[in-house]
Amino acid sequence: QKEVEQNSGPLSVPEGAIASLNCTYSDRGSQSFFWYRQYSGKSPELIMSIYSNGDKEDGRFTAQLNKASQYVSLLIRDSQPSDSATYLCAVRAGTASKLTFGTGTRLQVTL
Amino acid sequence: DTGVSQDPRHKITKRGQNVTFRCDPISEHNRLYWYRQTLGQGPEFLTYFQNEAQLEKSRLLSDRFSAERPKGSFSTLEIQRTEQGDSAMYLCASSSPDLRGAFFGQGTRLTVV
Repeated sequence: QKEVEQNSGPLSVPEGAIASLNCTYSDRGSQSFFWYRQYSGKSPELIMSIYSNGDKEDGRFTAQLNKASQYVSLLIRDSQPSDSATYLCAVRAGTASKLTFGTGTRLQVTL
Repeated sequence: DTGVSQDPRHKITKRGQNVTFRCDPISEHNRLYWYRQTLGQGPEFLTYFQNEAQLEKSRLLSDRFSAERPKGSFSTLEIQRTEQGDSAMYLCASSSPDLRGAFFGQGTRLTVV
């Protein structure tokens, strides 16, 4: 079982719709959760972090965390073509400092 | 520019040669990470430093790989006797003591021919 799992996609949504990206993790001791956006040929860019159960909103982005279900999600409202990218879920377990990444979900926002 | 800086951006080398990459973290960040990423995969952890101490090294890292962070500032990653399987994007990231996320440099793309 992979430590962090994501559906590789592509996830295709029309412009203006809500994109929902999901991630599950295996280590129940995980305490910090991050979403990164990565455009083709570029490095990952941190867009959201979440540390406690519930929702955290930042502009068009909402991160959701459910530790009991070991599940993290990212919602992108009013999706734009510029949101087309790969979204990486990353988890930091306990006091360990490294981030463990999933393989990413490729999002395509269509006109 | 106060972001993470990596050098070079691209490196083409012949199999068997040694290569060295440099990373300059964000100045107030005491933690520095190296990751490797291949096409279609997420970043794979290689090693990380807290200040000058190398605290963890991936089991996947062979003896051909070594990293240093003298004086807790910039870091270097050296690959000896490169193989074609080493071709990848090598990413450096840094984070502050509160561990609120890690910020990546632009990466070094290595091609071994």
